[in-house]
Amino acid sequence: NAGVTQTPKFQVLKTGQSMTLQCAQDMNHNSMYWYRQDPGMGLRLIYYSASEGTTDKGEVPNGYNVSRLNKREFSLRLESAAPSQTSVYFCASLTGTGYEQYFGPGTRLTVT
Amino acid sequence: RKEVEQDPGPFNVPEGATVAFNCTYSNSASQSFFWYRQDCRKEPKLLMSVYSSGNEDGRFTAQLNRASQYISLLIRDSKLSDSATYLCATEYGNKLVFGAGTILRVKS
Repeated sequence: NAGVTQTPKFQVLKTGQSMTLQCAQDMNHNSMYWYRQDPGMGLRLIYYSASEGTTDKGEVPNGYNVSRLNKREFSLRLESAAPSQTSVYFCASLTGTGYEQYFGPGTRLTVT
Repeated sequence: RKEVEQDPGPFNVPEGATVAFNCTYSNSASQSFFWYRQDCRKEPKLLMSVYSSGNEDGRFTAQLNRASQYISLLIRDSKLSDSATYLCATEYGNKLVFGAGTILRVKS
């Protein structure tokens, strides 16, 4: 039982490049989330998926797209990376019995 | 006003001390509250859930004050290993809203 996994762990992009961050969970959770964490800003929600087939914007969705590929996988895409997207990105999934979220290990992204 | 606010600290305390953090929230409709612990360069990990007035787990006690809209985390007999950032979160719809975190440094 791996919990929530994310790939890659680290990535450096040039401005304008695109990439997809992958997230998978093996806990059979319905809801999945993408956050970014910046110093002094805490965790900010980018997008979330309450169930397979649905996605919704969070607090900071601009510049990102998501795909809920199936119940296990939720990917985050940066179409044209900008230096302001330099951050640590966390994926999380939510238990069905409460609101406890479990996080993946994060992806450290630098955009130059 | 931010939805969830925390004192960023840092709180510098000696081993064995008791330390408490508060977290205020603005959404009076929130029913579920959480404390997460985050170590440097790691993901947040759930420490405690608070669904009613409070919760206790060993040296850790979380309390909820709905009238004043804050939750607190009390750590007794602090250990060096308690050094971390503590994030509070409240439920909002089917999402969690996080505070920016409080840094705790326990020193020998």
